[in-house]
Amino acid sequence: EIVLTQSPGTLSLSPGERATLSCRASQSVRRCLAWYQHKPGQAPRLLIYDASNRATGIPARFSGSGSGTDFTLTISSLEPEDFAIYYCQQCSNWPPITFGQGTRLDIK
Amino acid sequence: QVHLVESGGGVVQPGGSLRLSCAASGFTFGAYGLHWVRQAPGKGLQWVAAISYDGRENYYPDSVKGRYTISRDNSKNTLYLQMSSLRVDDTAVYYCARDFGGLAVVATSDSWGQGTLVTVSS
Repeated sequence: EIVLTQSPGTLSLSPGERATLSCRASQSVRRCLAWYQHKPGQAPRLLIYDASNRATGIPARFSGSGSGTDFTLTISSLEPEDFAIYYCQQCSNWPPITFGQGTRLDIK
Repeated sequence: QVHLVESGGGVVQPGGSLRLSCAASGFTFGAYGLHWVRQAPGKGLQWVAAISYDGRENYYPDSVKGRYTISRDNSKNTLYLQMSSLRVDDTAVYYCARDFGGLAVVATSDSWGQGTLVTVSS
């Protein structure tokens, strides 16, 4: 089973700042990695697939990078609606499909 | 617009059974794989089952294999999750999600429902 480790656990930033979230895999997942945004009481939302492709309707301030074992989600300039929990998920070697433990992005 | 609505959640005793449903609309249901993903209270997302577009292929993690069964009725645009031998640690919000890949399951979900809460408690 591929284990995904996200860092930091919590990130406290202000609107307008840049956010950098990391996801490290226990073995290579090539570029088969997705990022999701999740707000309490809402459905999770796909942001990025295949490491760097924005999903339909996702603003350009969201970008993904990386391959192999190290991946990054960057939000270039935080908007108030971006404060949420973010999960990475690997699709390379499954079952099982695995998620990281999440990074909570809080308003500072 | 893709729309997924889960139902069937509730309170069940340990060892009991429950069947969840997910009604889909807004897309060609029979052309996509589907998933169930859960979130226990205070925890992260955990994948629990996947099914191919035609229902012939099913996938599970070890934690639910033999206890959960995923199925679908393409004539009713509905996905199911039959859960048995439920344990306290199965308590979670259960989400259904559409696979991104269409006829090939690619293990990435581009649309999700709002979830239904399952509580396993005596």
